[in-house]
Amino acid sequence: NAGVTQTPKFQVLKTGQSMTLQCAQDMNHEYMSWYRQDPGMGLRLIHYSVGAGITDQGEVPNGYNVSRSTTEDFPLRLLSAAPSQTSVYFCASSSRGLTGELFFGEGSRLTVL
Amino acid sequence: GENVEQHPSTLSVQEGDSAVIKCTYSDSASNYFPWYKQELGKRPQLIIDIRSNVGEKKDQRIAVTLNKTAKHFSLHITETQPEDSAVYFCAASERNTPLVFGKGTRLSVIA
Repeated sequence: NAGVTQTPKFQVLKTGQSMTLQCAQDMNHEYMSWYRQDPGMGLRLIHYSVGAGITDQGEVPNGYNVSRSTTEDFPLRLLSAAPSQTSVYFCASSSRGLTGELFFGEGSRLTVL
Repeated sequence: GENVEQHPSTLSVQEGDSAVIKCTYSDSASNYFPWYKQELGKRPQLIIDIRSNVGEKKDQRIAVTLNKTAKHFSLHITETQPEDSAVYFCAASERNTPLVFGKGTRLSVIA
């Protein structure tokens, strides 16, 4: 199993540009989530999904969209990037829903100029 | 919603000494308390977790204790080694809400 795969690993955007961070898992996990990590701020939840067709907002959802059309994929879309979205983004999945071990991807470092 | 406070933010110990990291949470309904370790440039990984029907759990050199009355839980690392140097995150959740993480503790083990 590849586990949780995120692409790209690094990305530089200009303010106002859009992009999609891809996340795929091959463990048949129902629960998937996106976190952002900023220095001194820990891991903050952006959006999550408990199964295909179901998404919900986390702590910091503004400026981000998600969809979950399949069990395997959970892309994160930035519609109009802002410098405040400069961060490291982690996708994570779990087989035990909201209270199970999270398996994280390797992370995507995004810089918005 | 849940709020998790983690202390200290940085911790330095001599190799072989013990390290303790403490977290408090606000939602008395929370019943799942994991700890994640993140080495420099790597992804977070679960190292130990505890559920509210247990007061203490050990796994070799690491242990977690939970005090539900006081709403706090702690990570204990004994006989620290250089490879224990990392950022450690606590988290809490109840059955129907996602995990909320603390802000992390950077542990440095000095050889």
